[in-house]
Amino acid sequence: DSGVTQTPKHLITATGQRVTLRCSPRSGDLSVYWYQQSLDQGLQFLIQYYNGEERAKGNILERFSAQQFPDLHSELNLSSLELGDSALYFCASSVEFRADTQYFGPGTRLTVL
Amino acid sequence: GEDVEQSLFLSVREGDSSVINCTYTDSSSTYLYWYKQEPGAGLQLLTYIFSNMDMKQDQRLTVLLNKKDKHLSLRIADTQTGDSAIYFCAESISGGGGADGLTFGKGTHLIIQP
Repeated sequence: DSGVTQTPKHLITATGQRVTLRCSPRSGDLSVYWYQQSLDQGLQFLIQYYNGEERAKGNILERFSAQQFPDLHSELNLSSLELGDSALYFCASSVEFRADTQYFGPGTRLTVL
Repeated sequence: GEDVEQSLFLSVREGDSSVINCTYTDSSSTYLYWYKQEPGAGLQLLTYIFSNMDMKQDQRLTVLLNKKDKHLSLRIADTQTGDSAIYFCAESISGGGGADGLTFGKGTHLIIQP
């Protein structure tokens, strides 16, 4: 158990819908990262927040957004969902804003029908 | 851009050593990582190596880094059935003082033969 929690574990929705994925980092970690794992694209870095502020952006679509709240938990919002958004979404956390030790949560499996 | 490459499959006999190889392209990477993913599970950080090191050993795991060739390897000694998983090589995207995400390889499926 990495100490990073993600909810829900599974999510099934329809095209065009909007969902919110939630992540709680390890106690004491200020940085949260979001990744997408799909069969065709592999594991891709989406976005990072550090202490409530956006720090880095990867291959995140404009339909996706994220935020980190004062209690340091983070939410990833996915809107206008398409079939191709079906994937495992991982959250990771680290103490600092550098990625020297990132610990991953169990992931949320999103299925878009 | 950054790219990390790994072989897709490796098959070894139980008790033998497994060597999983990875090449990366970003010479400014500060850290290089090995993660393990078991079926239906998240990513477990196995080990990482700082770019100014050549080798790091942690129990059954040995990481070798060849910066000149941009080659990273993970050796698992005395491979057991519990080592069966997908192993991901990853590098930090920016080696400077700013924020970092990770660039991952496609993963190597380690298959253990009895």
